[in-house]
Amino acid sequence: QSVLTQPPSVSGAPGQRVTISCSGTSSNIGAGYGVQWYKNLPGAAPKVLIYGNTKRPSGVPDRFSGSKSGTSASLAITGLQADDEAEYFCLSYDTGLSGPVFGGGTKLTVL
Amino acid sequence: QLQLQESGSGLVRPSQTLSLTCAVSGGSVSRGAYSWTWIRQPLGRGLEWIGDFYHSAGTYYNPSLRSRVTISLDRSRNRFSLQLTSVSAADTAVYFCARGEPYVGDYATEYYFSSWGQGLPVTVSS
Repeated sequence: QSVLTQPPSVSGAPGQRVTISCSGTSSNIGAGYGVQWYKNLPGAAPKVLIYGNTKRPSGVPDRFSGSKSGTSASLAITGLQADDEAEYFCLSYDTGLSGPVFGGGTKLTVL
Repeated sequence: QLQLQESGSGLVRPSQTLSLTCAVSGGSVSRGAYSWTWIRQPLGRGLEWIGDFYHSAGTYYNPSLRSRVTISLDRSRNRFSLQLTSVSAADTAVYFCARGEPYVGDYATEYYFSSWGQGLPVTVSS
């Protein structure tokens, strides 16, 4: 249903590293638009973690990093902590829509 | 710190108009650099962009909603609004307002959403 494809869930133990993938097409990620990543908790405002593929807003720990290659992108979280447990979604702009498109979200469970 | 808060009716009858407001505090909607955006998430589904307001470029809407949607700014009350006409059950969703912050992308100015509201659930039902 979502334009960008993410795995429904990932998990990891405290202290470990996890990655979340985001797959798009030549109309969005592959068109050269930057990928953004957000953390989403129920009842809370989503929080931006990464924009422009790799940029972190001030205040976001460097445990969070983004990368992009071709029509796909990834979010990596190192030194996993309990409060990282949340849903994460990706965003990119789409030439066909002339607006942003989203991933379906990935539920991160900290074991 | 900028804060956004959605308000409006949580229940709308089919064929009626959905009207929501996003109150902005800690900043001004009159500043021209940003986008003022509405996004929604139907239950169990992914997020969907509704549209943006730009001071310099006007409004941009999702083509699937363009015939029914209006986004406007109220500078005197420091807020922006969403109107969606002729609603149906398919419009049932959590509605978010957000501020887009510009940055220089690889090819053009792009926007990321630095501030969001908490979201307002809206149900379309008789």
